[in-house]
Amino acid sequence: AQSVTQLDSQVPVFEEAPVELRCNYSSSVSVYLFWYVQYPNQGLQLLLKYLSGSTLVKGINGFEAEFNKSQTSFHLRKPSVHISDTAEYFCAVARGYGGSQGNLIFGKGTKLSVKP
Amino acid sequence: DTGVSQNPRHKITKRGQNVTFRCDPISEHNRLYWYRQTLGQGPEFLTYFQNEAQLEKSRLLSDRFSAERPKGSFSTLEIQRTEQGDSAMYLCASSLGLAGGAGTDTQYFGPGTRLTVL
Repeated sequence: AQSVTQLDSQVPVFEEAPVELRCNYSSSVSVYLFWYVQYPNQGLQLLLKYLSGSTLVKGINGFEAEFNKSQTSFHLRKPSVHISDTAEYFCAVARGYGGSQGNLIFGKGTKLSVKP
Repeated sequence: DTGVSQNPRHKITKRGQNVTFRCDPISEHNRLYWYRQTLGQGPEFLTYFQNEAQLEKSRLLSDRFSAERPKGSFSTLEIQRTEQGDSAMYLCASSLGLAGGAGTDTQYFGPGTRLTVL
C-alpha cells in the first residue's frame, strides 16, 4: 500500500526567503505525484504534478518540485516566498497502474506561514 | 468553467439523523470523487465514479454511507444515523478522464461541506 509522509507540519519563513517543503512516499508500484495547496476557506488547488519524464517539475506561482526515485521523495521548493503563499500544502500520490488509480493518497499537510 | 460546487457548505445535525450532501462537478468531467478531511489530516479517499458507475469504495465508507451519481452529472453522498465521529469536511473533486486509468488525472476540488454532528 502507498503512504505519504510530510516531514514538517509547520514551516515558518520570512518573506522573500527560499522554502522547501518535504514529502516522502512509499509504494511498491510506480506512482504519480502531486502537490496541492489549500488557502483558508477554499478548495484544494493543484500546484504541480509528476507523471513521467523530467524529474524537475515546474508549477504555478513559481513553485517547483523534484522527483527523486532512489530517495522516494518529491520535495516542493520556491526560491522566494510571498505573504500570499501562506497556506497549507499537501503532497499526494496516485497509483501508476492497476486498481485504485483514482484514489489520491494525501499526506497530513504542511502549513506554510510567511512572515513580513 | 464554474468549478466544482458543493451544497450545503455547512451542516449541523444531531446524532442519529440522516444527512445528504450534493456535489456538482465541472460540466464536462466524467470522473467524480469524494474525500473526507478531519482536523489536522489530509483528505482521505471515500469513493470514485466514472460517469454513473461507482468504480471504487474505500473501507472508510461504512454501510451507513452511500453515494450516487444517477445520470453521470451531479452526485450525492448520504450518511445515515450520523455519529459524532462523522464530523469532518467532505470534499468532492472531479476530473476529465481520458483513456486509461485515473492516476494521471488532475482532480479539481470543491470548497467542501463541513459536517458537525452534535
